[in-house]
Amino acid sequence: KAGVTQTPRYLIKTRGQQVTLSCSPISGHRSVSWYQQTPGQGLQFLFEYFSETQRNKGNFPGRFSGRQFSNSRSEMNVSTLELGDSALYLCASSLAGTGSDEQYFGPGTRLTVT
Amino acid sequence: DAKTTQPNSMESNEEEPVHLPCNHSTISGTDYIHWYRQLPSQGPEYVIHGLTSNVNNRMASLAIAEDRKSSTLILHRATLRDAAVYYCILRGMYSGGGADGLTFGKGTHLIIQP
Repeated sequence: KAGVTQTPRYLIKTRGQQVTLSCSPISGHRSVSWYQQTPGQGLQFLFEYFSETQRNKGNFPGRFSGRQFSNSRSEMNVSTLELGDSALYLCASSLAGTGSDEQYFGPGTRLTVT
Repeated sequence: DAKTTQPNSMESNEEEPVHLPCNHSTISGTDYIHWYRQLPSQGPEYVIHGLTSNVNNRMASLAIAEDRKSSTLILHRATLRDAAVYYCILRGMYSGGGADGLTFGKGTHLIIQP
């Protein structure tokens, strides 16, 4: 089975621009979660999608949004980029996103905002 | 999510067992205990999880105290490849399905000496 894939792997954007990151979950997995990792704040949960609906959300501003498609693929969007948005963005998939499910992480997208 | 407490770092020798402790005194009855690890320059990797009973898989064993207020991740024979940051995470469940996003603390930085 193929693992979680994320595209692109690296991205450089300018302040004020917007960016869209993509995540393809493991086949059969219906839950997709997004995380942000920075040296200062560590790994932080952004949001989770299940069956095309956002089911859970972390403490991030509205500039961070996402969506999930019927094939469970997910995208996250960051609008009006700020320097502090530079981070590794990780996507994780699981079967149903329950407390007993294990999450499988992709390699991440490294976003640099200049 | 309930909080967990882990030592900042631990050191062990290659081919010896490693016991990584985690305290979670405020755990609720429906919280699962998850362990993930993150190797340098990689996304987090699922290790093991459990609810009440001890668990074993090909990577590790999880020993859960009878009162569930602490747990120990056991690597039976550490290799250099096991050098990583290990995270102990409690994951609650929603009554309507789904669960909290993973809350990563600082974790334990495991150093393996050859």
